[in-house]
Amino acid sequence: DTEVTQTPKHLVMGMTNKKSLKCEQHMGHRAMYWYKQKAKKPPELMFVYSYEKLSINESVPSRFSPECPNSSLLNLHLHALQPEDSALYLCASSPPGTVTGELFFGEGSRLTVL
Amino acid sequence: AQSVTQLDSHVSVSEGTPVLLRCNYSSSYSPSLFWYVQHPNKGLQLLLKYTSAATLVKGINGFEAEFKKSETSFHLTKPSAHMSDAAEYFCVVSERAAGNKLTFGGGTRVLVKP
Repeated sequence: DTEVTQTPKHLVMGMTNKKSLKCEQHMGHRAMYWYKQKAKKPPELMFVYSYEKLSINESVPSRFSPECPNSSLLNLHLHALQPEDSALYLCASSPPGTVTGELFFGEGSRLTVL
Repeated sequence: AQSVTQLDSHVSVSEGTPVLLRCNYSSSYSPSLFWYVQHPNKGLQLLLKYTSAATLVKGINGFEAEFKKSETSFHLTKPSAHMSDAAEYFCVVSERAAGNKLTFGGGTRVLVKP
């Protein structure tokens, strides 16, 4: 069982909707990540938070807005999305002081934009 | 710049036979290398990692990989495939010079026949 919990597992939204994806971990990890994964492709990095501060934004469109309210929670706010934004959105975390690249992933939120 | 090439997009094996997934990398400096597995509709799970210690790395579920610097390879093997090994496998490289950003290979889908 994964120790990174993502909700909801499935989300269908229209292009004018506002919704949020949530991610939670209680492992004491201080780095948290959002990845986007299209079908049959590897994950693509979107955002990295380190100690609750945004450290990496991979030139993601502003219709995706990340938020890290505390060290255990990571949100991804969605607004005015396009059908091509339909994908599996993966949250991950990594503990401090360990080898970079050793990530713990959640099971993902599958987003469909109509 | 770092890059990863997984030489086979699909591998089909019979249950009980060996599995070989091939990965070649390009890196300017000493990289860290990882194999992740993704079962259908699941997140990614770390199988094993290489971080400049022993070149033969043992991971979970009977998998192992050998780092060969002269060949810039990090192939993943398992002596005897199990039905539960059917999944997508990603080879991943990370290096400090790239800001510790992960670069994913394109993935190898493994099919296990009974």
